[in-house]
This record gives sequence, C-alpha cells and structure tokens, in this order.
Amino acid sequence: AQSVTQLGSHVSVSEGALVLLRCNYSSSVPPYLFWYVQYPNQGLQLLLKYTTGATLVKGINGFEAEFKKSETSFHLTKPSAHMSDAAEYFCAVSRYNTDKLIFGTGTRLQVFP
Amino acid sequence: GAVVSQHPSWVICKSGTSVKIECRSLDFQATTMFWYRQFPKQSLMLMATSNEGSKATYEQGVEKDKFLINHASLTLSTLTVTSAHPEDSSFYICSATSLGTSGSSYEQYFGPGTRLTVT
Repeated sequence: AQSVTQLGSHVSVSEGALVLLRCNYSSSVPPYLFWYVQYPNQGLQLLLKYTTGATLVKGINGFEAEFKKSETSFHLTKPSAHMSDAAEYFCAVSRYNTDKLIFGTGTRLQVFP
Repeated sequence: GAVVSQHPSWVICKSGTSVKIECRSLDFQATTMFWYRQFPKQSLMLMATSNEGSKATYEQGVEKDKFLINHASLTLSTLTVTSAHPEDSSFYICSATSLGTSGSSYEQYFGPGTRLTVT
C-alpha cells in the first residue's frame, strides 16, 4: 500500500523567501513521486517527478525536490518565492509512471509582498 | 502535445437527473484514463480506473451504479453521474496516460476538471 503525508495545510512566506513544502511517503515498492500545482478552479499541472536515478529533481518555475529514501521524504523547495507561486500544491505517489496516483492532502502556499 | 480536455467545464443540474462528463485526449491515444474527485479545499481521491474496451475498476466505496464509466475509444472516456444528489456536487478531474507516441512522453496528463453542482 502507498500513502502520502503533507505536513502543513497552509504555508505562508514573503516574496523572495525560501519555499519549503514537506512531503513524506509510505510505499511497499520503490516509489514514483510527484509534485503538482493547482490554481483555483483549474486542473493539475505537473511541477516535477522522481522516477529513478538522480535524487535531486528539478522542475518548472524554479522548483526542485530531493528524494531521500532514508527519510521517506520528497520535500519541495524554491529558493525565492514569487507572488505567482501562490496556489495549492499536492504531493503524490504511485507504483510506476502511469499508475494511479495517491495524493496527499495538499498545502496551500500564500506569498505576501 | 499531450492535451486532455473535459466537457463541460461546469454544470448545474437538478437533484434526480443524470449528468455526463467527457474526458478526451486530444493529441494522443490513451489506453488508461483515471477519474478523480475533489471536494472543496480537499485532496483528489481516485474514483476509478478506465481502460479502453473493458469495464472500469472502481475504488472501494465508490458506487458503480451511480458513477457509470465508459471508455469507448482510445481518446474518450465518459463519467455519468446518475440520479445526482447535492452530495455529489464536486470537482471531477480526469487524467489520461500516454503511450509515449505522437510526441507525448510516457506519463499521465490531467484534464482541467469539471465542476458539478447539484441543486
């Protein structure tokens, strides 16, 4: 079985500050891990994903995440927040690239000027 | 490439009526489509897995007779909410998995979602 835990349903940062969104997973098989962003009343946009290989994954809009097997974590970071980053972020896990996704509960990111 | 559309984008219906939502892969063939449901300010929950030409596989707790899924072709899956009630009001999102052909990578692509309101 697989599951995802996102710590912090709300995160607030100032524009230009570091963004850190936490995600821990549980999986009985080597996981595929994803971060998605959702803007109000829209679908999901893939930010980045980890499949195999390099544990530091770079995505779109300056985001990156590091897969840490020992900590079962896949935290999302961005060095400098922008106002346009304000959105809902979902971490997800699956067994392989095109398998059904198990989502975390989401983290709402607010960016203040 | 790799665009998934949903129609309608929003719909309001009266309690007791049925509503059909379409999910189309516009520029690739999708053997598998997933249907998710998202309640306000909550996460996405998988409802069912739809494979072309076969019966959908429903997640535990999802009523098969209420949420009818048909995957008639490699580019179209439909979700019909039968005898809708206010508690069915939600945001329904589909995704389609690409075979990695036609310029699309081998991964899952999401539609923009359909907001259903049952009055």
